[in-house]
Amino acid sequence: TQLLEQSPQFLSIQEGENLTVYCNSSSVFSSLQWYRQEPGEGPVLLVTVVTGGEVKKLKRLTFQFGDARKDSSLHITAAQTGDTGLYLCAGAHSSNTGKLIFGQGTTLQVKP
Amino acid sequence: GAGVSQSPSNKVTEKGKDVELRCDPISGHTALYWYRQSLGQGLEFLIYFQGNSAPDKSGLPSDRFSAERTGGSVSTLTIQRTQQEDSAVYLCASRRTSGIFNEQFFGPGTRLTVL
Repeated sequence: TQLLEQSPQFLSIQEGENLTVYCNSSSVFSSLQWYRQEPGEGPVLLVTVVTGGEVKKLKRLTFQFGDARKDSSLHITAAQTGDTGLYLCAGAHSSNTGKLIFGQGTTLQVKP
Repeated sequence: GAGVSQSPSNKVTEKGKDVELRCDPISGHTALYWYRQSLGQGLEFLIYFQGNSAPDKSGLPSDRFSAERTGGSVSTLTIQRTQQEDSAVYLCASRRTSGIFNEQFFGPGTRLTVL
């Protein structure tokens, strides 16, 4: 079974703290994506990484794809209450089909 | 432009009844996906349509689940003889297949509750 293990599953922190979410697999992915989902809505794409070792920054969010393209991390600097939500990683084995394998998700709660 | 829409937003049904869930993808998107999400969890792939090709049904959990896509646009996911374990949020996504990046645009989902 091709699985993506995401950790931690739940994270509660104070505003201003830093955090890292991890996404690990034994499989190699052609690309990996991170999504953020709010209650009652569908996931919204944050970033796509395709090259081993790639690092992408989106304001206070830093995404890294592992050298072997089996794992990824999301780091948030100085978290804000607006960062609260469910963060999902998703890997694709084929860029043609677009079929995604999702991690279990990390529920982030940022308290004021 | 309009995003992916799904209807109904909520559906409550009794065990054993059939339900139909509808997805309207973004105009011009040739790929369409259905996923299932249990409360606070990740998404489970169900089925994938691409143009006129045979759909990839490898994620459907049982033969009670089926889906069709008419005219390459609207899709319907049908669950027959619903069971309580079918309760979940059913999400639809569409994708423009040109380009190397695999961006899927999701609808808001249909929350299905089987009593």
